[in-house]
Amino acid sequence: SQQGEEDPQALSIQEGENATMNCSYKTSINNLQWYRQNSGRGLVHLILIRSNEREKHSGRLRVTLDTSKKSSSLLITASRAADTASYFCATSQETSGSRLTFGEGTQLTVNP
Amino acid sequence: DTEVTQTPKHLVMGMTNKKSLKCEQHMGHRAMYWYKQKAKKPPELMFVYSYEKLSINESVPSRFSPECPNSSLLNLHLHALQPEDSALYLCASSQDLWYREQYFGPGTRLTVT
Repeated sequence: SQQGEEDPQALSIQEGENATMNCSYKTSINNLQWYRQNSGRGLVHLILIRSNEREKHSGRLRVTLDTSKKSSSLLITASRAADTASYFCATSQETSGSRLTFGEGTQLTVNP
Repeated sequence: DTEVTQTPKHLVMGMTNKKSLKCEQHMGHRAMYWYKQKAKKPPELMFVYSYEKLSINESVPSRFSPECPNSSLLNLHLHALQPEDSALYLCASSQDLWYREQYFGPGTRLTVT
């Protein structure tokens, strides 16, 4: 079964607005990663946050991790139409090395 | 070079055919993965190779047969597939097995008729 659950399942915003996606998980993790997937294409790694980190930034991306609540959020600021994609969180559990467990994903649509 | 390549991009095969999917990376990564992804679903792990040895088989039916001829190449041999095996097959690689980000190829869109 999937460890990660994401909400919302779908998000539609206007260009220039911020988009926030949330991910919850059930077991202890070593790290949590976010990936983007354009329709019918491969996944692109966005950011990795380790269990001892609380916040990480990369360009317009900001990821937070709250291990006490077993949750993470991905914030995309000043969104662009090119950000339209599916976004997946993926957890690497402490006992499973690089075996990633993906969430169900959030479909983000950024309208021009 | 941070690219993982996959061939073919699209594949249509009958249930009695034998075909192979190919994956290649030149990043010096020692772990490689096969995933299956159905529409609007997350990727599901099928196989993991570490240092060219099969490390994980997620109880995948024997009609899927992986092969890692060398550290840069990963194949997935297909035989007697079912229509429900139609999906996007993704290859990925990572530096090693331990808590690393994975680099994905663009996938092979497989249709079984």
